[in-house]
Amino acid sequence: SQTIHQWPATLVQPVGSPLSLECTVEGTSNPNLYWYRQAAGRGLQLLFYSVGIGQISSEVPQNLSASRPQDRQFILSSKKLLLSDSGFYLCAWTTGRVQLAQYFGPGTRLTVL
Amino acid sequence: SQQGEEDPQALSIQEGENATMNCSYKTSINNLQWYRQNSGRGLVHLILIRSNEREKHSGRLRVTLDTSKKSSSLLITASRAADTASYFCATDQNDYKLSFGAGTTVTVRA
Repeated sequence: SQTIHQWPATLVQPVGSPLSLECTVEGTSNPNLYWYRQAAGRGLQLLFYSVGIGQISSEVPQNLSASRPQDRQFILSSKKLLLSDSGFYLCAWTTGRVQLAQYFGPGTRLTVL
Repeated sequence: SQQGEEDPQALSIQEGENATMNCSYKTSINNLQWYRQNSGRGLVHLILIRSNEREKHSGRLRVTLDTSKKSSSLLITASRAADTASYFCATDQNDYKLSFGAGTTVTVRA
């Protein structure tokens, strides 16, 4: 069966510090991978998605970046965090097109102070 | 940008009652999905309804879709305390992207 992992679960970082969040998927190959951010009490904002290794589509211009160094690994990064980067970050995967369900990881709660 | 909008924003019901929430969207879709999110957790896929379908059932869940009105509803029958969660609709924006609404927060009182 397929499993998606995210770490860390929680993170408190000072403004201006770097960020690296990791997401890995097990039990499937060539998944489409997604990074979302959710502000408190709000819906999901799509940040990045990837349909293959090295293929990244950016949805929102910001100081975040994403990379996909391996088929089942998706990394979200920042060189310098802003207060507005605080939120709940969710990784998700699906196979093929979005006519199928997306499967979400447990999320990372990021607080920037 | 968010295409789907759920209504109401929040809903409080007694255990055993039915809960109904609605989703409206703006552009044509191929399918619409509903997800549940327990507090502080990831989203869980509940049900997918295609644009050529009008109604779909899964256990205590019933979803309807009216493409002429660009709206969908999710009905949870005989609610339980474990149904307390936020519920989101999501519509496909293209082959690879979903657009999520802001969600309906459902509280089931014992």
